[in-house]
Amino acid sequence: AQTVTQSQPEMSVQEAETVTLSCTYDTSESDYYLFWYKQPPSRQMILVIRQEAYKQQNATENRFSVNFQKAAKSFSLKISDSQLGDAAMYFCAYRSAETNFGNEKLTFGTGTRLTIIP
Amino acid sequence: ETGVTQTPRHLVMGMTNKKSLKCEQHLGHNAMYWYKQSAKKPLELMFVYNFKEQTENNSVPSRFSPECPNSSHLFLHLHTLQPEDSALYLCASSQGQGRNSPLHFGNGTRLTVT
Repeated sequence: AQTVTQSQPEMSVQEAETVTLSCTYDTSESDYYLFWYKQPPSRQMILVIRQEAYKQQNATENRFSVNFQKAAKSFSLKISDSQLGDAAMYFCAYRSAETNFGNEKLTFGTGTRLTIIP
Repeated sequence: ETGVTQTPRHLVMGMTNKKSLKCEQHLGHNAMYWYKQSAKKPLELMFVYNFKEQTENNSVPSRFSPECPNSSHLFLHLHTLQPEDSALYLCASSQGQGRNSPLHFGNGTRLTVT
């Protein structure tokens, strides 16, 4: 079974600075997807960024980028120019590419609570 | 505006009560999911439905009973719950087709069992 580990329960960053959230995972599969979700106080899980394991290029979405190290099974999230609205719980998630058709279930980490300091 | 709507937002129930959680998705998706989110634990997958058929039951106790009448609606019927069932229950949906279909989540129902 796959597992996802987020070793930083809490992180804080000064507004406008850069912060990196860590995530490691364990799998024996070669084809999979990795995701970062954000959960603000509204409680809705919002997709921040996704990475396909067979793509070597790191995914980027505006101020959000990842450092995907497949051999090390590491998938960190970098947030540049942090804004107050970035304050939330951040969850790393794994999905096998071999799941049954129509079953895109995710395995989540325990989350990192990010605080933005004005 | 979320494409996945969950009601109620909060629910307090006694251990002998029967209640239901409702989820509706407006995204035209074919797969729907129930997840349980407890403090300091990873989200736990409970049930998966694809085209109204249950495709996964992750060893969930029978006091949780899902129902999926169509691809847009998903219910979670609750009866004789325990205090440890108190958690945030999240509904999600996905397209159910193709290799890269992300999950879209609702705002969750905060359940407290007294």
